[in-house]
Amino acid sequence: GQQLNQSPQSMFIQEGEDVSMNCTSSSIFNTWLWYKQDPGEGPVLLIALYKAGELTSNGRLTAQFGITRKDSFLNISASIPSDVGIYFCAGHSGTYKYIFGTGTRLKVLA
Amino acid sequence: DAGVIQSPRHEVTEMGQEVTLRCKPISGHDYLFWYRQTMMRGLELLIYFNNNVPIDDSGMPEDRFSAKMPNASFSTLKIQPSEPRDSAVYFCASSWDRRLETQYFGPGTRLLVL
Repeated sequence: GQQLNQSPQSMFIQEGEDVSMNCTSSSIFNTWLWYKQDPGEGPVLLIALYKAGELTSNGRLTAQFGITRKDSFLNISASIPSDVGIYFCAGHSGTYKYIFGTGTRLKVLA
Repeated sequence: DAGVIQSPRHEVTEMGQEVTLRCKPISGHDYLFWYRQTMMRGLELLIYFNNNVPIDDSGMPEDRFSAKMPNASFSTLKIQPSEPRDSAVYFCASSWDRRLETQYFGPGTRLLVL
């Protein structure tokens, strides 16, 4: 079946550093979504991508829909302590059967 | 609006016991979704309802799991009997349509089955 590989699994970074993470699918996706989950809370949508090559920003966050349609990237610039949490991707190939990544756990050291 | 409300927030039970998780969706949303989240498998859709009717329950692991939505403002997910492998965080989400990006998630119920 379809699989999503998300990397890295965890990151420890210094405040002010930029962060990059990515997701790779075993099949072509029509939609890529990026979420953040704070400890003890539910996921919150950060960015939605619908077109190959699309680059979308939300504040300090930028996400891209890979041109192969099998991958997506999320970048966070100038990280701050409140960026800590779990970031995960999700996508589907047109059937609304969403596949979810297992998440990147981000910790920001002040 | 208070958002999606789930209860309890935490549940610890012994293997074999019945567990009931509750959800109140956002008023006006006619789609309700139940998810399970584990470290190994991430987030998985268990079942979703539209206008209180179950539409797709293909994600429900086995017959020990059941979900109901008796009215537009309440849904339950029941596990009977519970097993240690059911330990996970269970999320409820609601929306005005079936797309994931339109769904609002509740805070989740952390279930530990001993």
